[in-house]
Amino acid sequence: EAGVAQSPRYKIIEKRQSVAFWCNPISGHATLYWYQQILGQGPKLLIQFQNNGVVDDSQLPKDRFSAERLKGVDSTLKIQPAKLEDSAVYLCASSPDRGEQYFGPGTRLTVT
Amino acid sequence: AQSVTQLGSHVSVSEGALVLLRCNYSSSVPPYLFWYVQYPNQGLQLLLKYTSAATLVKGINGFEAEFKKSETSFHLTKPSAHMSDAAEYFCAVSDRRGYSTLTFGKGTMLLVSP
Repeated sequence: EAGVAQSPRYKIIEKRQSVAFWCNPISGHATLYWYQQILGQGPKLLIQFQNNGVVDDSQLPKDRFSAERLKGVDSTLKIQPAKLEDSAVYLCASSPDRGEQYFGPGTRLTVT
Repeated sequence: AQSVTQLGSHVSVSEGALVLLRCNYSSSVPPYLFWYVQYPNQGLQLLLKYTSAATLVKGINGFEAEFKKSETSFHLTKPSAHMSDAAEYFCAVSDRRGYSTLTFGKGTMLLVSP
């Protein structure tokens, strides 16, 4: 069974630029999560989707971050415009309904 | 609200020595508890989980953890460290509403010396 796929793996941008990350969850997984992991900290949930609906986006900085899940499968996370403090690893995870989460390898974003 | 505290950002052991990584949780409802491992430039891999069955939970790679409600703890142990165990370990908590949102601790980096 293929795991959670993410791209790109690494991205370097300048502040005020825009960036987008892509996630393809494990086939059949209803729930998809985006986490932000800042260096030296544990992952923090940004947004949770159940199929293509948002379950929890309480910690998503909505003035600059947006996310969507197309047809309840793939998802994109966008930052516009980026700030220095957005430098982090962005992890995508998926789970079957009421199941444990499986994580992708992450995208490491550096904002200069 | 839920939270996790991991004592020690770094733990150093010698190969063959006991590994003990500490995790204390706070939860207003009965929790599910998890330990994840993260190798450099990789995502998180589930080591083990407590979901209200046996309080002593065995996971992969020889790790185990014991849920102690009276101490609100879920410490991770391994009798004999191996060089390949060097990685970052995260404790996480969720409530029991069907594996809902995970709240992670800050992580403990395990260093293993020859």
